[in-house]
Amino acid sequence: SAVISQKPSRDICQRGTSLTIQCQVDSQVTMMFWYRQQPGQSLTLIATANQGSEATYESGFVIDKFPISRPNLTFSTLTVSNLSPEDSSIYLCSLTGQLNTEAFFGQGTRLTVV
Amino acid sequence: RKEVEQDPGPFNVPEGATVAFNCTYSNSASQSFFWYRQDCRKEPKLLMSVYSSGNEDGRFTAQLNRASQYISLLIRDSKLSDSATYLCVVNTNAGKSTFGDGTTLTVKP
Repeated sequence: SAVISQKPSRDICQRGTSLTIQCQVDSQVTMMFWYRQQPGQSLTLIATANQGSEATYESGFVIDKFPISRPNLTFSTLTVSNLSPEDSSIYLCSLTGQLNTEAFFGQGTRLTVV
Repeated sequence: RKEVEQDPGPFNVPEGATVAFNCTYSNSASQSFFWYRQDCRKEPKLLMSVYSSGNEDGRFTAQLNRASQYISLLIRDSKLSDSATYLCVVNTNAGKSTFGDGTTLTVKP
């Protein structure tokens, strides 16, 4: 399976600022995704990161709040903009295996907004 | 109704016990099925895939019933190290994963 490096692993941010999370994969992958895991809850898909085009967002998530870049097949970023305490969560990048089956995850970014 | 529903738990069992987790999914077009394990403050990690024929990996047995849209995980001879949250995951052919809320297992000495 591919090696996924996600950073930062954690951050504490002020309200109104933004945080950009990076995800680097050691091989080219077709499908990359960004998830959010709020405290005590399961994972919710934010968007599919499309290489060379705009991300595809799930219901309840918008580009202005969660802009995503994917300039190539090995790298993606998620920005969480205009932070509020409700954005405190773990954010995870994910990719699927070659057969688009099981998902593999980065180590996650634990965000606390104060 | 949630797309993937799991036993709410938590499950608290003694070492050596057998414990079963159940999961149902609503999208009949779902293609792939998995159980993941998530330890506290860690990312989810694949435990095993689930096939209609049933599959076993040591003390773990997973089963899929497509007609009933039901998935199960059986853990035999529980160990302390099995304590974690177990996530039922269903994929569409677009590669997107839908997660259940997870079932927390605590194995006690």
